[in-house]
Amino acid sequence: AQSVTQLDSQVPVFEEAPVELRCNYSSSVSVYLFWYVQYPNQGLQLLLKYLSGSTLVKGINGFEAEFNKSQTSFHLRKPSVHISDTAEYFCAVSPGNQGGKLIFGQGTELSVKP
Amino acid sequence: GAVVSQHPSWVICKSGTSVKIECRSLDFQATTMFWYRQFPKQSLMLMATSNEGSKATYEQGVEKDKFLINHASLTLSTLTVTSAHPEDSSFYICSASPTALYEQYFGPGTRLTVT
Repeated sequence: AQSVTQLDSQVPVFEEAPVELRCNYSSSVSVYLFWYVQYPNQGLQLLLKYLSGSTLVKGINGFEAEFNKSQTSFHLRKPSVHISDTAEYFCAVSPGNQGGKLIFGQGTELSVKP
Repeated sequence: GAVVSQHPSWVICKSGTSVKIECRSLDFQATTMFWYRQFPKQSLMLMATSNEGSKATYEQGVEKDKFLINHASLTLSTLTVTSAHPEDSSFYICSASPTALYEQYFGPGTRLTVT
């Protein structure tokens, strides 16, 4: 079985500060890794994904994440956040042998203050 | 590209009635569609996986007779909540996947309120 743990339920940060949202996973099989963002009352938008290759993945809106296989982590980072980055962020894994099924973490609420 | 729509975006119904939610992939063919529900301030929980032309696969604990899923074409899947009750009130989100199964595109969600 697979599981995803987002270590922080809420992350308050000031505008233009750097931010890191943490994600750890457990799986007995190879997985693909994703970060999604959800704005209030909306669906999910893909920020970035790791399928293979370089462990540093760059996504939209200036976000990037690094896959660390030994620590089973996939932390999301942004060097300078904006007010508009305020949203809920979900880390997810897709086991390679389960037909595209996504397993989500609990979510991290990023709150950017002026 | 890769746009998924849901209809309706919100619905209020009375207890005991049935509600149908549509999920459409607008600019690609979706071999597989997924249905999730999300309670306030919580994560998405997968309800079922549907493949075009075959029966849906439900996750453990999801009542297949209550949440009827039909995936009649490569661009349309429907979720029908039968005999809805207040505890079925939730945010229902669908996603669609083209043949490359590692990627899902999400709809905007449907807010269901059962009174």
